[in-house]
Amino acid sequence: SQQGEEDPQALSIQEGENATMNCSYKTSINNLQWYRQNSGRGLVHLILIRSNEREKHSGRLRVTLDTSKKSSSLLITASRAADTASYFCAISNFGNEKLTFGTGTRLTIIP
Amino acid sequence: EPEVTQTPSHQVTQMGQEVILRCVPISNHLYFYWYRQILGQKVEFLVSFYNNEISEKSEIFDDQFSVERPDGSNFTLKIRSTKLEDSAMYFCASTEESNQPQHFGDGTRLSIL
Repeated sequence: SQQGEEDPQALSIQEGENATMNCSYKTSINNLQWYRQNSGRGLVHLILIRSNEREKHSGRLRVTLDTSKKSSSLLITASRAADTASYFCAISNFGNEKLTFGTGTRLTIIP
Repeated sequence: EPEVTQTPSHQVTQMGQEVILRCVPISNHLYFYWYRQILGQKVEFLVSFYNNEISEKSEIFDDQFSVERPDGSNFTLKIRSTKLEDSAMYFCASTEESNQPQHFGDGTRLSIL
């Protein structure tokens, strides 16, 4: 398998707190992407970080990438109830287009 | 904002029947994908399609499966002789350029009885 586990598998926090999710992988990558999935819906793209980048921000989201450790983290600051969803990382390797997804973290924000 | 649309949202089919899942990718996108997600499991890649041909397929995508772009807007996944284990959410995705974010539809829930 090219993809490791994401941790935690489930995370419940109070609204306003920060949420951190981690992703590990096993191969060299071209880029790593984070997606959100609300229950019964499709995947919504959040951030793409390339293998030569170490950190990216988008609004309340911050993604880091450590290629030496083959790991990435997604930080959501000042969480809101609407952030409740499953979050997946997905890797893209050089030479092909497919995404390989992790098992996801189910995030619950408690109002 | 342009969206990927999939129809139907839910398909119930008897085992052994053929199903066609339909997708309308975003209009200026050139790369198309199908993924599936069995209940409680991770999203799995099935096939990618570019320039009117399959560019990559997974081990799951065997002779039971086929894809087609019959016109300038639709992208279809056909599953022949369906099996119980084909029950899953099937997602279509598209992207404008190589190695760019993929835009997903809301999926078709396929239930095989």
